[in-house]
Parts: sequence; C-alpha cells; structure tokens
Amino acid sequence: GENVEQHPSTLSVQEGDSAVIKCTYSDSASNYFPWYKQELGKRPQLIIDIRSNVGEKKDQRIAVTLNKTAKHFSLHITETQPEDSAVYFCAASPGSFTLTFGKGTMLLVSP
Amino acid sequence: NAGVTQTPKFRVLKTGQSMTLLCAQDMNHEYMYWYRQDPGMGLRLIHYSVGEGTTAKGEVPDGYNVSRLKKQNFLLGLESAAPSQTSVYFCASGGQGGKNIQYFGAGTRLSVL
Repeated sequence: GENVEQHPSTLSVQEGDSAVIKCTYSDSASNYFPWYKQELGKRPQLIIDIRSNVGEKKDQRIAVTLNKTAKHFSLHITETQPEDSAVYFCAASPGSFTLTFGKGTMLLVSP
Repeated sequence: NAGVTQTPKFRVLKTGQSMTLLCAQDMNHEYMYWYRQDPGMGLRLIHYSVGEGTTAKGEVPDGYNVSRLKKQNFLLGLESAAPSQTSVYFCASGGQGGKNIQYFGAGTRLSVL
C-alpha cells in the first residue's frame, strides 16, 4: 500500500517568514495530493490540493509543488501569520478514493 | 446544510463494553470513511464505504465493525472496547463529482478505561 512520510514534525517560524513542509510517497500510481489544516481541537480541513498532471498550484499565500519523478510534494506558506499555527497533514491517493496521510507537522508562528 | 455530523462528541467506556459511533452526512456523497487520530500518528483509515450497503477495510480495521445501511449514515462499532482504542475518531465523506475531496466531521473523543 501507499506510504507517506512527512517532515518536519514541528516547525517554528517568526511572523512574516516562509514555511515549507515536505512529503514523500511510495506508490507511483498516486495521482491526488491534498493538504489539510487542523487547528487545535478542530476537524481537519482541506486547504489546497494538486493532481499529478500539474506541477504547481497557488492560492494566495499558500502553494503546493509536486515532483512526480522524485515522488515528493511540498507545501509553501509565505508571509506567515499567527493564525497559520496549526497541524498540517499531507496525503496521497492512488485513485481509489482513499487517502493515506502523513503523520503531520505542527507549525508554530510566533508574533 | 450541516455537512458531516458525528455523535456522540465524547464518550468514556470501560474495557469490554460496546458502543456505536454514528456519522451522518447531508451532501449526498457516495464515499464515507472512519479514521482514528492518535498523537504523532496522523489520521489512519479504519474502514470505508464506496456506497450504500458496501464496506471495506482500511489500514487499522481490527476490533471495529461498520455498516452503511443508508447512504447518508455510516456507523462504527466497537464490540469489546480495549484501552488501545482510546483515540479521537473522525468520520469523513466525499466522492462527489468524481473528486476524492474528503470533508470531516468534528470528531468523537473516546476514552477506554
């Protein structure tokens, strides 16, 4: 089955800095890669996703890049704000409508 | 439009007791999922369903059973709870329009003593 590795497990940045979270996957058949944000005590919510026929996708301050050859994808957050503090999960889907999640990255943005 | 609703929100069980967690969605999604979330382990898929009357095993199915008798509901059962099943359980639904975007419920925090 699919295996998703996520790094780092924790990331501390100053407000205004950029943050990058990286994930690798094992199944070359995976074709859908979402990112979820989970605030403390809340449910995971989709913030951005990318499909295997696209190399990069942006939505305001967040962007995701995908390297299919190397089997890795990354989340980039620019101009971080305290409200960006949360746990971020990457996931990969081999097309079966199931998702395999990484173990999460706790992002702390200090004012 | 409530989205995905889970009941109960909290529950404490003694070892060996049974219980059922209910998930309901009002988005007419074909797919429904049950995950457990443990510290440092991410979200792990327990069971899922691709339509009414169907169920399939996920990554960590042992000790759990599920049923999908109606399209909008997905039940997760614990027949004989164990302390190792202490966790936060999330239900999700998706699959609308051929997209595998998943929408999560608010979660159920279960403690097994």
